[in-house]
Amino acid sequence: RKEVEQDPGPFNVPEGATVAFNCTYSNSASQSFFWYRQDCRKEPKLLMSVYSSGNEDGRFTAQLNRASQYISLLIRDSKLSDSATYLCVVNPGGGFKTIFGAGTRLFVKA
Amino acid sequence: DTAVSQTPKYLVTQMGNDKSIKCEQNLGHDTMYWYKQDSKKFLKIMFSYNNKELIINETVPNRFSPKSPDKAHLNLHINSLELGDSAVYFCASSPSGGYQETQYFGPGTRLLVL
Repeated sequence: RKEVEQDPGPFNVPEGATVAFNCTYSNSASQSFFWYRQDCRKEPKLLMSVYSSGNEDGRFTAQLNRASQYISLLIRDSKLSDSATYLCVVNPGGGFKTIFGAGTRLFVKA
Repeated sequence: DTAVSQTPKYLVTQMGNDKSIKCEQNLGHDTMYWYKQDSKKFLKIMFSYNNKELIINETVPNRFSPKSPDKAHLNLHINSLELGDSAVYFCASSPSGGYQETQYFGPGTRLLVL
């Protein structure tokens, strides 16, 4: 089992749609969780951290389910500019190693 | 102002050559990283330095040698380049390497080995 697994997609959605991505992780002792966004031929950038209580940033909501070892990202009212690859990122803790998922590709169409 | 910069952005070279990639951050961070993103888009950590000290060294061939002259710079030298080294190499930094910290990435260096 991979340390961090994501559905590669692509997810093709119309503008205004709601889309959700899940990500599973194998290390139950993992300490911190993030979603990064990577545009085509660009570097990854932090979208949001994921907290145990769940957190929201505008149209984006992140949830953590420790019992089932997955995190999710919900995007409401999708915009064309949301088209990107979304990377699930997990840090197992106890050191500095961060593990990136392979990413989920999202295309938002007009 | 560029926070994390890398040079060169593109590198095309022949098998067997030796090349270097440079990285600089002006964020005042203590920790820097090198990642490799292959054609399948997996982003894998290669090395991490904290205050010029190597703290993570993943299973990377010893043809790859990082060097950190000071905490604002982390360079990557690759000897005897192979076809499989073709990838995008990203440098990143974070304040102190803590597990809850955001990592800030450079724009990447696209390496093509012919």
